[in-house]
Amino acid sequence: GAVVSQHPSRVICKSGTSVKIECRSLDFQATTMFWYRQFPKQSLMLMATSNEGSKATYEQGVEKDKFLINHASLTLSTLTVTSAHPEDSSFYICSASSHRELLQETQYFGPGTRLLVL
Amino acid sequence: LAKTTQPISMDSYEGQEVNITCSHNNIATNDYITWYQQFPSQGPRFIIQGYKTKVTNEVASLFIPADRKSSTLSLPRVSLSDTAVYYCLVGDIYTGTASKLTFGTGTRLQVTL
Repeated sequence: GAVVSQHPSRVICKSGTSVKIECRSLDFQATTMFWYRQFPKQSLMLMATSNEGSKATYEQGVEKDKFLINHASLTLSTLTVTSAHPEDSSFYICSASSHRELLQETQYFGPGTRLLVL
Repeated sequence: LAKTTQPISMDSYEGQEVNITCSHNNIATNDYITWYQQFPSQGPRFIIQGYKTKVTNEVASLFIPADRKSSTLSLPRVSLSDTAVYYCLVGDIYTGTASKLTFGTGTRLQVTL
């Protein structure tokens, strides 16, 4: 149980284009989803917190107009990197949590999406 | 959010028990301690979670002293496949909404023959 998937697993795009990453909770309803970014050899950095049906809360220094987050349902959140540039190349990871089910609000992580912007 | 401090790296031989200690001096009353494992190019995987004393599951044990200012993840008889980065996190999980987790540097465990 508590499986989280991400799609795509890796994506290569040209500079200036937009990329959408999907995060799905497969066997539970995720009332909250988190988006992280991880650069090589570094730890995970929280980008934003997304609660179902409401606007995402972004961490300081994260541009909300560049990283669009939508959490339209209890099983799906999307992160869109708009007008991507090479410095946006990174490993993007989502996690899902639920206070409605007996998961003790543990965050369960997706497998990550490797983004490379050329 | 309580800050955590872990050793940057540890080395072990296969078959040995590995103990990774994490300091969280500012842990709050409602905070739980959670440990994750991360392999390269994968998302973190939940290992174990606890509040106080000792918790054991099929893969690890978590020891938490009475003052809760530290915790120790114990991996029995590690194998080469346990080579990974291990993160200790502290967060309040009973607020009604999921709390943010702040990832520290983690501990890079290298297991060799």
